[in-house]
Amino acid sequence: SQQGEEDPQALSIQEGENATMNCSYKTSINNLQWYRQNSGRGLVHLILIRSNEREKHSGRLRVTLDTSKKSSSLLITASRAADTASYFCATLSTGANNLFFGTGTRLTVIP
Amino acid sequence: DAGVIQSPRHEVTEMGQEVTLRCKPISGHDYLFWYRQTMMRGLELLIYFNNNVPIDDSGMPEDRFSAKMPNASFSTLKIQPSEPRDSAVYFCASSFQTPGAKNIQYFGAGTRLSVL
Repeated sequence: SQQGEEDPQALSIQEGENATMNCSYKTSINNLQWYRQNSGRGLVHLILIRSNEREKHSGRLRVTLDTSKKSSSLLITASRAADTASYFCATLSTGANNLFFGTGTRLTVIP
Repeated sequence: DAGVIQSPRHEVTEMGQEVTLRCKPISGHDYLFWYRQTMMRGLELLIYFNNNVPIDDSGMPEDRFSAKMPNASFSTLKIQPSEPRDSAVYFCASSFQTPGAKNIQYFGAGTRLSVL
């Protein structure tokens, strides 16, 4: 499968703490994206990192990419209860037009 | 723009019945994707279109599933006959892709299908 694998599968933290989610993938990629899914809703794009980038920031989000290890991490700083959701990584393989989504991490932020 | 619009939001049907799911992509987007999400299998790509033409339908599980895109603003996913194992949330997503583009996908709210 070209799907990414994410860990942990589930993560529970206190409000204010940082949350880190990891994603591993198998193919050569053009970019890697992170999406968020609230319960009962569709996925929403959060942030994109290109294969020639190593780190990207957007507000409280920080994404890193290590193409040699075929892995990425998403860090959410100063978490809030509203960050409770499932987070998915998705890779755009070189030459492809479709994304391959990971298995997701379910994040629960306790107020 | 209203985003990707899917209908119905919920569908409950009996085994053997035909089910049609509908999607209106974002205006100007040239790619449309159909996904299925279950707890067991996660998010699976079923089929995707480029400029209304099906490009890859290798994810369509069986001949009971079919998808069409008669024009740039409408697509359907049909299951005939439906079976209980088809119960899932079905998502439609669209994107606008040019050479060097980011291929960011915009998802609809999904259709929750229950086949009894």
